[in-house]
Order: sequence, then structure tokens, then C-alpha cells
Amino acid sequence: AQSVTQLGSHVSVSEGALVLLRCNYSSSVPPYLFWYVQYPNQGLQLLLKYTSAATLVKGINGFEAEFKKSETSFHLTKPSAHMSDAAEYFCAVRRGNNRLAFGKGNQVVVIP
Amino acid sequence: NAGVMQNPRHLVRRRGQEARLRCSPMKGHSHVYWYRQLPEEGLKFMVYLQKENIIDESGMPKERFSAEFPKEGPSILRIQQVVRGDSAAYFCASSPGYGGSSGNTIYFGEGSWLTVV
Repeated sequence: AQSVTQLGSHVSVSEGALVLLRCNYSSSVPPYLFWYVQYPNQGLQLLLKYTSAATLVKGINGFEAEFKKSETSFHLTKPSAHMSDAAEYFCAVRRGNNRLAFGKGNQVVVIP
Repeated sequence: NAGVMQNPRHLVRRRGQEARLRCSPMKGHSHVYWYRQLPEEGLKFMVYLQKENIIDESGMPKERFSAEFPKEGPSILRIQQVVRGDSAAYFCASSPGYGGSSGNTIYFGEGSWLTVV
């Protein structure tokens, strides 16, 4: 079954530095992949999604992710971290019946 | 265009009571999903419903949990005889349909936080 792996539950990044969150997927078919962000005590907001069109996907808030089939990866990046980026980030893959399988998440802390 | 609406946002129940969580999907969406987020864990799929039909309940606990999405009104996630381990955030999500080459995007509500005391 399709699944995703996110390593490193907590990620600290300095304000203005590159944000890099890693996501590797496991899928026997072309996957549909998603990144969601969750701010404290709020729901999940879609950042971006990959649906087999362009391999470089641009999302909201300056985030982007690149689908690399050879590496089975869909890492999320942002060139310059902002204090408002402090949140939890989830990678997800779509399974049958439109279910999403989520990774364990990365808690991003931005250091001023 | 209102998003996915969930209520209540916060619910406190004593052990043994019933909890009812409601979800109204986005306008034009006919597919509803429930997910549970336990402390220190990611989100886990529970159930997928269309109007008057349960499509996939493979993630639902076998006992005490049930879900419905009636022809009229919101979807309801019902937890009977709650226990402390049911304390979690419950998220509802909706999509316009299923499948297709674009991969139907799923939109999440703000969540309902259940605390069992």
C-alpha cells in the first residue's frame, strides 16, 4: 500500500534560512502526493499537490516541492524561512478510495 | 464560499458518555472523510462516506464508533461510551468526487477536539 515517510519530527531553522522538509514515498503506481500545513489548534491547509503534471510544484506561502521518481521523494522547500512558517507539516499520499496516508509530520521551529 | 465546517470545536465528555461530532462539507462536495489525530501521532483515516452510503470504514474502531452522512444535514461521527483513549482531534474533510487524473483535492475542516475526563 502507498505510504510516506517523514524523518526528524522537529526541525529548527533560522529566520531567513532555507527550509527543507523531506518526504519519501512508497507506491507501486504513479502517486498523488500532497503537503499540508497545520498551525496550532487549527485544521490542515493544503500547501501544494503533485498529480503527475509538472515535477516541480509551486504552492502557497512561497513553498515548492519537487517530485523525483528516481529517489521516490517529494521534498518541500522554501528559500527563506519566516517566523510565520512555524507550524507542523505533513506529507501525504493518496490511496484507494481517495484516502490519504499521512507521514508523522515535521514540527518546524523558526529561530529569530 | 464556506469551507468545511465542524462543530463543536471543543467537546469535553466524562467517561461513558456519548460524543457527537458534526461536519458540513464544502458547498458542492458530496464526499466526506473523517480522520483522527492522536497526541504525538499523525492523522489516521477513519471513514469515507457519500450521501447515505459508507464507502470505506476500514479505519474505524470496531466498537463504539459510527458515522453517517444523511441525505439532508451534516455528517455525524458518533462515539458511544467514550474512554480516555478517545481524547484526540477529529478532522472532517470533503472533496467534490473521487478519482480522475487530477487527483481530487481533499479539504479539511478546523477540527473538533474531544477531551474525555
